[in-house]
Amino acid sequence: AQSVTQPDIHITVSEGASLELRCNYSYGATPYLFWYVQSPGQGLQLLLKYFSGDTLVQGIKGFEAEFKRSQSSFNLRKPSVHWSDAAEYFCAVGGGGRRALTFGSGTRLQVQP
Amino acid sequence: SAVISQKPSRDICQRGTSLTIQCQVDSQVTMMFWYRQQPGQSLTLIATANQGSEATYESGFVIDKFPISRPNLTFSTLTVSNMSPEDSSIYLCSVEPRGGELFFGEGSRLTVL
Repeated sequence: AQSVTQPDIHITVSEGASLELRCNYSYGATPYLFWYVQSPGQGLQLLLKYFSGDTLVQGIKGFEAEFKRSQSSFNLRKPSVHWSDAAEYFCAVGGGGRRALTFGSGTRLQVQP
Repeated sequence: SAVISQKPSRDICQRGTSLTIQCQVDSQVTMMFWYRQQPGQSLTLIATANQGSEATYESGFVIDKFPISRPNLTFSTLTVSNMSPEDSSIYLCSVEPRGGELFFGEGSRLTVL
């Protein structure tokens, strides 16, 4: 069975600081990996995805993530955080015959001025 | 991409009643997924709905409690039956128009008193 772990429930960073959100997955084959963002009262928006190829993927809003097979990780990064980045971030895994995604528990990002 | 509309966006219901949530997609899709997001929690898959066949439910979810219809390739409904306060959640419809990426509606926020 596939699973996703997001070790950090809540992270606070200062505006302009760098950000890294951790994600570890468990999956038997090469996974499809995703990061979604959910702003308060909103649905989920896809930030970026990894299917294959280059292990460093670029997404929207200046986010990037790196797939590290040896560590079963897919951490999300941003070099300089903006106040509008405050939201809940979900890592998700899918692939193979299972078309639905399995989500991590989420990391709530707070940005201090 | 896919644009997904859900109705209602929010509702307050009485214990013991039922509510049907509608999901409309702007393009034809084979698979639709219904997720539940309990307060402060991540997303949990309720069921997968394919047009022309019975929905497939995940462990812990049953058809009597969450009946699903999928009459065509652009529409689905999820009913939450005999509601209790524990059913207070955001219910999200999602689709996979291609290649593993899920698109989400903005969700239906349900409060049961």
